[in-house]
Amino acid sequence: EDQVTQSPEALRLQEGESSSLNCSYTVSGLRGLFWYRQDPGKGPEFLFTLYSAGEEKEKERLKATLTKKESFLHITAPKPEDSATYLCAVQAGDDKIIFGKGTRLHILP
Amino acid sequence: EAQVTQNPRYLITVTGKKLTVTCSQNMNHEYMSWYRQDPGLGLRQIYYSMNVEVTDKGDVPEGYKVSRKEKRNFPLILESPSPNQTSLYFCASSLIGEGGYTFGSGTRLTVV
Repeated sequence: EDQVTQSPEALRLQEGESSSLNCSYTVSGLRGLFWYRQDPGKGPEFLFTLYSAGEEKEKERLKATLTKKESFLHITAPKPEDSATYLCAVQAGDDKIIFGKGTRLHILP
Repeated sequence: EAQVTQNPRYLITVTGKKLTVTCSQNMNHEYMSWYRQDPGLGLRQIYYSMNVEVTDKGDVPEGYKVSRKEKRNFPLILESPSPNQTSLYFCASSLIGEGGYTFGSGTRLTVV
């Protein structure tokens, strides 16, 4: 069964304290892995797509990496405005897209 | 502005009263999808559509219908809503092969 697991469920960091969020997956025929940011009461906002192991993408303080079994979202020197829920999703060979339950990130000033 | 527009944003209805949530996108995207988001369960796909007149079931299609008569519109229909369909619903669209959805702002549905 296709599955996406994100860890940790919640993470509290001090401003400037770098860390990583994990997304592990089992899927038949990975067609893409996606990262989104979701603020309370709003729709998810697309961040990155990764297609193959070894690929990396960067945007401001965020960097996403992909291996054959997992993806990491690295957050470097975060600021309070980076506080949000970060969602990982995978697109399987049958075109279904499966989301993980997310990591709630809180950056303390 | 490129966007996915859902209406209404909030809806309270009674059990069994048919309702439709509309979704429209202005980006000429082929792929459209409906999700529901519930605490502790995350986003779960209800239905998706690869193009006009092509729809497929996601993981939780029971109790829902969709149609794709035009490329830009993908309405979600609840023929006989029940309280277990109380949830936050999102419509999303993307280009096929490009990855990365654009999501609507959500519809918070309460069925009493």
